[in-house]
Amino acid sequence: NAGVTQTPKFRILKIGQSMTLQCTQDMNHNYMYWYRQDPGMGLKLIYYSVGAGITDKGEVPNGYNVSRSTTEDFPLRLELAAPSQTSVYFCATFRVPEAFFGQGTRLTVV
Amino acid sequence: DAKTTQPNSMESNEEEPVHLPCNHSTISGTDYIHWYRQLPSQGPEYVIHGLTSNVNNRMASLAIAEDRKSSTLILHRATLRDAAVYYCILRGTGGGADGLTFGKGTHLIIQP
Repeated sequence: NAGVTQTPKFRILKIGQSMTLQCTQDMNHNYMYWYRQDPGMGLKLIYYSVGAGITDKGEVPNGYNVSRSTTEDFPLRLELAAPSQTSVYFCATFRVPEAFFGQGTRLTVV
Repeated sequence: DAKTTQPNSMESNEEEPVHLPCNHSTISGTDYIHWYRQLPSQGPEYVIHGLTSNVNNRMASLAIAEDRKSSTLILHRATLRDAAVYYCILRGTGGGADGLTFGKGTHLIIQP
C-alpha cells in the first residue's frame, strides 16, 4: 500500500517550458488535491477533485491545469513555466477525517 | 474556513511535555479542530482531531477549551523526531471537499 506517490521528486524547468507533475494513489479515495508551498509559508490549494471527471479551482489556480480521468491519478500541468511557480508541490487525498500527502515535488523555474 | 492563530515558533527540551496553543475565536459550532505536522522535507501528516471533548491517540492529546475558542496540542514526551511545523486547522462538516486551509503553523524546536 504505497499511499500517495508523486513524480518526479525534483525538477528544474526553463521559463516557458511545460511539464506535468504526476500524482497517483492506491487508497481508492475520491477527494484529491494539489497544493503548493513557498518557503516559510503554509500550503495553498491549487486545484481539487471530488471524483473522476470532476475538478475545481482552489485559491491559486492561475498557470495550472488538472485532469481526473481515473480515481487513481490526478496530474497537474504547467503550460508556460514562470519563476513565480518555483515551489514545492504536494498532492493529497482525503477521506474523513484524515488527509494523506505525498512526499512532494520540488520545482525550480529558471 | 475560520481563521486560527498560532505562535510562530516554540522551543522545548527532549523528553519533556510540549503544549502547542491555537486560538480560533471565530470557530463555528460545526467546525472540527484538526492538527497536522510537517517534518522537514516531507508532506504534512495527520496528528489528531476533535470537536468538543478532549481526545487522545498514540501521537498526542488534544485539549479543547470549554468555549471552543482555543485548543492545545499536547506531546507528552517530546523526542527529536517531533521537531516539525505544527498546523492547527478548522474543518467544517462539508466532508473536506474543498480542502484544508493551512496557515504558517508553529515551528517546534526540540533541544537534546
